[in-house]
Amino acid sequence: KQEVTQIPAALSVPEGENLVLNCSFTDSAIYNLQWFRQDPGKGLTSLLLIQSSQREQTSGRLNASLDKSSGRSTLYIAASQPGDSATYLCAVIPGNTGKLIFGQGTTLQVKP
Amino acid sequence: EPEVTQTPSHQVTQMGQEVILRCVPISNHLYFYWYRQILGQKVEFLVSFYNNEISEKSEIFDDQFSVERPDGSNFTLKIRSTKLEDSAMYFCASSPRQAGNQPQHFGDGTRLSIL
Repeated sequence: KQEVTQIPAALSVPEGENLVLNCSFTDSAIYNLQWFRQDPGKGLTSLLLIQSSQREQTSGRLNASLDKSSGRSTLYIAASQPGDSATYLCAVIPGNTGKLIFGQGTTLQVKP
Repeated sequence: EPEVTQTPSHQVTQMGQEVILRCVPISNHLYFYWYRQILGQKVEFLVSFYNNEISEKSEIFDDQFSVERPDGSNFTLKIRSTKLEDSAMYFCASSPRQAGNQPQHFGDGTRLSIL
């Protein structure tokens, strides 16, 4: 059974710092992987989707990498800002029905 | 930018009652999903829906649950005979094509409280 784990559970950094959020999954036979942001009381906002044939995707200050063989993905946030404060969720897509299997998230606080 | 909209934002229901959660997916999307998040826990997949039928469902999605696309715009989740443990945030999501290759877009959720 696929399990997704995110470390750390919470992270607090000063503004301007570069940071890395980690995601690991137990079954390397994934279809794709998606990173989300969740603000308190809100839904999930898609940040990046990495297809299984890709190694990374970039959007602005965000860069997500994928190493299927080792069952790992990282989300790199450059020059963090207070507005980046949120919970970041990693989800794997095991097959073509699109079902997402989520990690528990990393709650990020960026202090001004 | 088009959005997935969910109503109501908060639903309070007595245990044993039926509840219907409503979603309007993005108009040109073909794949639809329901997820739930119990407070403090992971987001969990419930069901995926394509071409007017369920394409996959989780073990959570038992006979108590059903989904329907009654018209060209709405996508509903019905929970019959609600239980206390059904209290959660329920999220609807949609994607334009084969969902594994397209990001899923989520609504802001319906908070369901069972008393």
